[in-house]
Amino acid sequence: QVQLVESGGGLVKPGGSLRLSCAASGFSFSDCYMSWIRQAPGKGLEWLSYISGSGYTIYYADSVKGRFTISRDNAKKSLYLQMHSLRAEDTAVYYCARGEGGVGFDSWGQGTLVTVSS
Amino acid sequence: QSVLTQPPSVSAAPGQKVTISCSGSRSNIGNNYVSWYQQLPGTAPKLLIYENDNRPSGIPDRFSGSKSGTSATLGITGLQTGDEADYYCGTWDGGLSAPYVFGTGTKVSVL
Repeated sequence: QVQLVESGGGLVKPGGSLRLSCAASGFSFSDCYMSWIRQAPGKGLEWLSYISGSGYTIYYADSVKGRFTISRDNAKKSLYLQMHSLRAEDTAVYYCARGEGGVGFDSWGQGTLVTVSS
Repeated sequence: QSVLTQPPSVSAAPGQKVTISCSGSRSNIGNNYVSWYQQLPGTAPKLLIYENDNRPSGIPDRFSGSKSGTSATLGITGLQTGDEADYYCGTWDGGLSAPYVFGTGTKVSVL
């Protein structure tokens, strides 16, 4: 069955960096668009970025453009989100999800919590 | 602030029906497919409806979706206590700062 497992979250100081990972299994990873979506505590969902199966097509939300970088390693069946210049408002649970939204995000990981605080 | 507006909450008794609206504009709902997601307390969201009115395998037919113009609607019939959750609509947006946008979210309560 499809499984997505995020890791890499934690406590980081404002201005710091963090790299999230998402390990995929149970499907042909290289054939699938993948996305990152976050949810601040007590708030709604916010789409952040997606990457095509080949890695050539990438989009970002304006809120993270220039600070976050999405990437993937198809050999390792892994998705990444490199985050720089973190701010308090980046505090959230970060989910990886399969798809780019056109037919919905049909599988989600359990999420990893990122806390930005001094 | 989301460009897709949903009511903050809806409620009904077990066995009854609820509908959740998702209001957008021509740049998003008006020109793109809508998906719906269910988020049970403390868990990750789950896809309920895709391409406006299609259910993924395993989603009961108590859940239905529709779209008209720049609005979409999720319906839940035969309401169960296990349906208590937050529900989000989502779609592409051709005109703003994020290619994909989610609705503001609706809390469904079973009385």
